[in-house]
Amino acid sequence: NAGVMQNPRHLVRRRGQEARLRCSPMKGHSHVYWYRQLPEEGLKFMVYLQKENIIDESGMPKERFSAEFPKEGPSILRIQQVVRGDSAAYFCASSPPASSYEQYFGPGTRLTVT
Amino acid sequence: KQEVTQIPAALSVPEGENLVLNCSFTDSAIYNLQWFRQDPGKGLTSLLLIQSSQREQTSGRLNASLDKSSGRSTLYIAASQPGDSATYLCAVHTGGFKTIFGAGTRLFVKA
Repeated sequence: NAGVMQNPRHLVRRRGQEARLRCSPMKGHSHVYWYRQLPEEGLKFMVYLQKENIIDESGMPKERFSAEFPKEGPSILRIQQVVRGDSAAYFCASSPPASSYEQYFGPGTRLTVT
Repeated sequence: KQEVTQIPAALSVPEGENLVLNCSFTDSAIYNLQWFRQDPGKGLTSLLLIQSSQREQTSGRLNASLDKSSGRSTLYIAASQPGDSATYLCAVHTGGFKTIFGAGTRLFVKA
């Protein structure tokens, strides 16, 4: 059973471009969480999704950020018109449906905006 | 608003020492509490998960306790080794599906 997979592992974008980060949860997991970790800071919750539904997006910036978890395929975190302050590590976690909500984390995508 | 604090922020100990990492949270209405390890530039590895109805969990040299009423958890590491050097994160899962992380304790175990 493969773990949570994220790609790309490293992403470099120029200011104004779009960044698309992908997360494939563990097999059998239908809950996905996205977190952002700024340099020297802790992880901050961004959004919690189940298949085809956004359950809690209270941690998402109001503009430029969106997330989806379609019926088929990975969860996508999309950042439009990136700015330097978006440079961070973005982590995805998944948990099984019947849940203790124990979360399993992917290796992260490190986004650098130049 | 739930806030999670970890003390100390950094810790350096000689190999073989037993140590305790502390985590406190402001709202006792939690679903569970999870301890993670993060190595530099890497993702998070789950160490222990304690449900709100439990008092402690053990895995090998690690023991985590939970006192919901006082808003505290401790992670006890026995006989520390240089390989234990990492950042340890405490995370509280609330009923609103949100998980709140502490800023972490950076541990360095000297050989």
